[in-house]
Parts: sequence; structure tokens; C-alpha cells
Amino acid sequence: DQQVKQNSPSLSVQEGRISILNCDYTNSMFDYFLWYKKYPAEGPTFLISISSIKDKNEDGRFTVFLNKSAKHLSLHIVPSQPGDSAVYFCAASARGGTSYGKLTFGQGTILTVHP
Amino acid sequence: DTGVSQDPRHKITKRGQNVTFRCDPISEHNRLYWYRQTLGQGPEFLTYFQNEAQLEKSRLLSDRFSAERPKGSFSTLEIQRTEQGDSAMYLCASSLEGVGDTQYFGPGTRLTVL
Repeated sequence: DQQVKQNSPSLSVQEGRISILNCDYTNSMFDYFLWYKKYPAEGPTFLISISSIKDKNEDGRFTVFLNKSAKHLSLHIVPSQPGDSAVYFCAASARGGTSYGKLTFGQGTILTVHP
Repeated sequence: DTGVSQDPRHKITKRGQNVTFRCDPISEHNRLYWYRQTLGQGPEFLTYFQNEAQLEKSRLLSDRFSAERPKGSFSTLEIQRTEQGDSAMYLCASSLEGVGDTQYFGPGTRLTVL
């Protein structure tokens, strides 16, 4: 049962343009969402997060949007840079109850930014 | 650098051998998590510690796997009688309870079972 899905395995974008990465979830108990960036042979690096009480969070070039009714979130990167090329993972957690904040990840989207 | 560290970074072993990995979390973090990542997939939760107490284990964690965090600081993950299906990246993450729930990951240990 894939509770977090990233349906686009890859995305190719020109430098300077916007990159939009999408993520869908099914578990309505999820209340905290995160995006991580991962280079080969390294651990995931935290990028940005959003609580379910918000619908938008912005940090520099990165903005995350949350649509709770659609159970959908997206990460916008503007402007995209070649150094942004990596695998991007969406993750979700249910902070209440006995979940202890464990993360459920999507399968990842490979972003390639061309100069 | 006071990030999460893991040792070793790479481990190659023969099937049937035992292996142990170590994770040192960010020093003030009381929550520690282990995840496993296989090729083409996102990380999957294995187990969770709050201080020294192991509070949750995934069904992915068979009885050949054991994890400890004896003093609430570093943690070890041991795999006994390794199988080829254990080949994966083992990731450790830590977080501070009550301060958001952002988990910070270490570089991982790449295990190859021959």
C-alpha cells in the first residue's frame, strides 16, 4: 500500500525556469509533510516542510504548496539551477498518536536542470 | 560539523555473516530512526528510538535484525546471517521532540551481500 506517491519518475527543466514536483498521499492522518533532496551515495538532505494547518510555505527559491482536500502537495523551485539536479523525495508523517513522527516516503523524482 | 554520522559508509560481506552499523545522531536530538533504501525506492522505516527506548519496529525488521541505543546517544543496527536481499542503503536520522518533526539524515551505510 503506497501511501505517498510521486507519479513522475523524472523531470527535465531548463536553467532559470520553474521546476514543479508533485506528490499525492492517501492517509488522512498525515499532518506534516517534507521534501528532501538526495544525491547519489549520500543521505537525504532536508529542504522544506509544511504543517497541515498551512497551505503554503516558502524558503528562498523553494515553495511547498499543500492542498488537503485533494491530498496533494507540490514543490516549486524558481529559478531552477543546474545544482538542483538530484532525486527529490516527498515524505509525510502523522505526528499524533503512536506514529512517533516516522516518515513515509514517495518513490522519488529525478530532476535534471539543463544549462 | 555536528550532523548525523554513520559508520562504516560501505560494507561488503558474504552471505551468512553478521554485520553491525553505527549511527551518531545530532547531539541534542532525543529521537533516532533507522530506514532502509533499495534502488529506485524511497527510504522505508525500520525502527525508532526515543532516548534509549525502542518504541516501534517495522514488520520489515525480521528477527535477524536488532537495534540498540544503550545510553540514548549513538545507536547500532546489527544484521545476523545476512542474505542477498539485505543489500541496501541503511540510513539513520535524528530529530528533537517538540521542535517540529524534521528528521536530519546521515550519509548512510551501503551494504552489499555477496
